[in-house]
Amino acid sequence: DTGVSQNPRHKITKRGQNVTFRCDPISEHNRLYWYRQTLGQGPEFLTYFQNEAQLEKSRLLSDRFSAERPKGSFSTLEIQRTEQGDSAMYLCASSLGHRGNSPLHFGNGTRLTVT
Amino acid sequence: DQQVKQNSPSLSVQEGRISILNCDYTNSMFDYFLWYKKYPAEGPTFLISISSIKDKNEDGRFTVFLNKSAKHLSLHIVPSQPGDSAVYFCAANGQTNAGKSTFGDGTTLTVKP
Repeated sequence: DTGVSQNPRHKITKRGQNVTFRCDPISEHNRLYWYRQTLGQGPEFLTYFQNEAQLEKSRLLSDRFSAERPKGSFSTLEIQRTEQGDSAMYLCASSLGHRGNSPLHFGNGTRLTVT
Repeated sequence: DQQVKQNSPSLSVQEGRISILNCDYTNSMFDYFLWYKKYPAEGPTFLISISSIKDKNEDGRFTVFLNKSAKHLSLHIVPSQPGDSAVYFCAANGQTNAGKSTFGDGTTLTVKP
């Protein structure tokens, strides 16, 4: 178990630029999640995949955000035309089961700063 | 409307004493509750969970209590150790969607030697 890996760890970008983050889940986990966390708050659900299918998107995920999980392995989260309000920690997590007591395994996150 | 609330942003206890972290929720449809611990510069890690049909779950030094009628749960750490110093998040799930968790804003626990 090598854990969930996220790259890059930090990203600084100028407003209006596009950014892309990558997440490599634990290999045997079929579910992958993206969360966003801002300072002083808990993680907020953005979207999740079961294998390659994106099954749900939060209303927090505007049209500028897109996530993919080709072939059900790694996932990417792209933010187009970044805004200062997008500055946050973006967390990826994976899980093996679908039941409510299946814990999430989080990566260490990508911290985005939009200047 | 915040469905999961951790009303104490911070808690400080002496090493060896009990730490009690609290969490309240409003949605009676939640079926599972989980606690995560987060160290700086790391992602949250799972600590312990409880089903809504139980009122207590214990794992070593960690015990979670659930009062369903009050929509309240608490995490007890006994005895507290300096390595327990971290941010603790309470999370709530429905029955079938494990990962669409609703998190509280966390409580920062400091255990003083």
